Amino acid sequence: AQKVTQAQTEISVVEKEDVTLDCVYETRDTTYYLFWYKQPPSGELVFLIRRNSFDEQNEISGRYSWNFQKSTSSFNFTITASQVVDSAVYFCALSDSRIANAGGTSYGKLTFGQGTILTVHP
Amino acid sequence: DTGVSQDPRHKITKRGQNVTFRCDPISEHNRLYWYRQTLGQGPEFLTYFQNEAQLEKSRLLSDRFSAERPKGSFSTLEIQRTEQGDSAMYLCASSSGGQWPTEAFFGQGTRLTVV
Repeated sequence: AQKVTQAQTEISVVEKEDVTLDCVYETRDTTYYLFWYKQPPSGELVFLIRRNSFDEQNEISGRYSWNFQKSTSSFNFTITASQVVDSAVYFCALSDSRIANAGGTSYGKLTFGQGTILTVHP
Repeated sequence: DTGVSQDPRHKITKRGQNVTFRCDPISEHNRLYWYRQTLGQGPEFLTYFQNEAQLEKSRLLSDRFSAERPKGSFSTLEIQRTEQGDSAMYLCASSSGGQWPTEAFFGQGTRLTVV
């Protein structure tokens, strides 16, 4: 069974501080995808990043960066110089790579962690 | 395309009543998922459609729950004889892709309150 653990329930920082959100996953699959989503107070989950299990290069997008380490089954997310607008719940997720049908399409359903509530104070 | 649309946004119902939610995915997305999210938790998978075929149902989906996706377009999720434990946010997501799905786009959800 797949599992995603986000050990940090809540994090509170002051604006301009850097913050890292931890994500540890469990899977028996050799090929899989990892995701991060942001859920602001409005409730809609917003996609942030999708990472293939074969690509361990770190990725940077503006103030966001991601550190994928297969050896420790971790996919951590860092926000540099945090802003009040970053306040939200952040979810790490793992995709299901089982093949669903003869066409070779995977199920693709997501297993989410419990989320980390990030509050950035002005 | 305006994204994934869900209707209604909020639903308050009395215990024992039936409710139906609708999801309009992004057009041409062949994959459609329903998730349920309770307070303080991450979304939990309920069911998956590839085009019009329902390929997987979670054990969370009791016999009181049924979902359809006629013609592979919009989808409906019906809950019969609602119980207070059904109170949650019901999220719909869609994605495209062949063997591997692209990122899933989520709707704003339907918040169900059973009183």
